[in-house]
Amino acid sequence: RKEVEQDPGPFNVPEGATVAFNCTYSNSASQSFFWYRQDCRKEPKLLMSVYSSGNEDGRFTAQLNRASQYISLLIRDSKLSDSATYLCVVNMDTGKLIFGQGTTLQVKP
Amino acid sequence: GAVVSQHPSWVICKSGTSVKIECRSLDFQATTMFWYRQFPKQSLMLMATSNEGSKATYEQGVEKDKFLINHASLTLSTLTVTSAHPEDSSFYICSAHRLAGAYEQYFGPGTRLTVT
Repeated sequence: RKEVEQDPGPFNVPEGATVAFNCTYSNSASQSFFWYRQDCRKEPKLLMSVYSSGNEDGRFTAQLNRASQYISLLIRDSKLSDSATYLCVVNMDTGKLIFGQGTTLQVKP
Repeated sequence: GAVVSQHPSWVICKSGTSVKIECRSLDFQATTMFWYRQFPKQSLMLMATSNEGSKATYEQGVEKDKFLINHASLTLSTLTVTSAHPEDSSFYICSAHRLAGAYEQYFGPGTRLTVT
């Protein structure tokens, strides 16, 4: 079983749509959690950290459920510029990051 | 914000030659840097953890004699791909670990290696 699992997609949605990505992780000792965004042939960029209390940054909302070992990302009012691959990332206490395979989002006009 | 640079951004080399990739943290000191590899349509895979002043820690399946890592200063780590083969062609990305609350890591822009 992969340590971090994501639905690879692709998710094809129209502009303005709301889209949700899910991620599960297997190691209950995982310390912290992130969503990264990666554009084609570029390095990953931190989108947001994920907390148990849930956190929101503009159109993006992230949620963590430690009991279920489940992380989510919700994007509201999708823009064309949101098209990218979204990586679910789990940090172990050593600082080592474990990446999911990524979920590809394509927002169409 | 924190910036991590990599050099070169892309390189083409012939089979059997060695290639060195540099990773620098530009505005902070990084006691730990990480090296990742990403093949097309796949996610990043951690290759090794580079610790300043000590030997790197390699992930299972990564040959330490083939991928030489040196972290001689708090701002520089290098990865040398020795005796490169076409199957080593990949996107190599480093990150620097900054202890700022939530173990945030900053990624370099990556180095695209093509071995012919």
